[in-house]
Amino acid sequence: GENVEQHPSTLSVQEGDSAVIKCTYSDSASNYFPWYKQELGKRPQLIIDIRSNVGEKKDQRIAVTLNKTAKHFSLHITETQPEDSAVYFCAATITGANNLFFGTGTRLTVIP
Amino acid sequence: GAVVSQHPSRVICKSGTSVKIECRSLDFQATTMFWYRQFPKQSLMLMATSNEGSKATYEQGVEKDKFLINHASLTLSTLTVTSAHPEDSSFYICSGVVAGGPGDTQYFGPGTRLTVL
Repeated sequence: GENVEQHPSTLSVQEGDSAVIKCTYSDSASNYFPWYKQELGKRPQLIIDIRSNVGEKKDQRIAVTLNKTAKHFSLHITETQPEDSAVYFCAATITGANNLFFGTGTRLTVIP
Repeated sequence: GAVVSQHPSRVICKSGTSVKIECRSLDFQATTMFWYRQFPKQSLMLMATSNEGSKATYEQGVEKDKFLINHASLTLSTLTVTSAHPEDSSFYICSGVVAGGPGDTQYFGPGTRLTVL
């Protein structure tokens, strides 16, 4: 089955700096890669996703890149703000298979 | 759009009792719903996949007789934790996949925190 690894487990950045979280996956058939943000005690919220037919996707301060050959994808947050502080999870799946395989999470702290 | 609700948000029960958690898709139909549990500072662990009108598929190590799942309609799935014990205390989260959609984006409920005394 799919195995998703995520690094780093914790990340602290100064407000205004960029943050990068990286994930690798093992199943070359995986073709959908969402990123979720989870605040303490709350639901995971989808913040951005990417499919294997594109290499990069951007939504305002958030971007995701995908390298299918190397089987890794990354989340980039620019101009970080304190409200970006949360746990971020990457995930991978095959369209139609439904099961999401989650990474172990990254706790991001943005220092004002 | 794509809003999922869960009820209750918190529940405290005595050991040996059963607890039912409801998961509803409020503005879409979900042919498939998923149930996860999450321990503190850990990732989401898939417990089972629930398809409307059929039996749930459980992940390895999850007791189907202990965690009863019913997906009777396209907007409602329920998880019943039977004979709950303190080790069942956890954060339970459901998610739904939009029927007729790409079939991969999952929208999560707000979670239910279960505490078994």
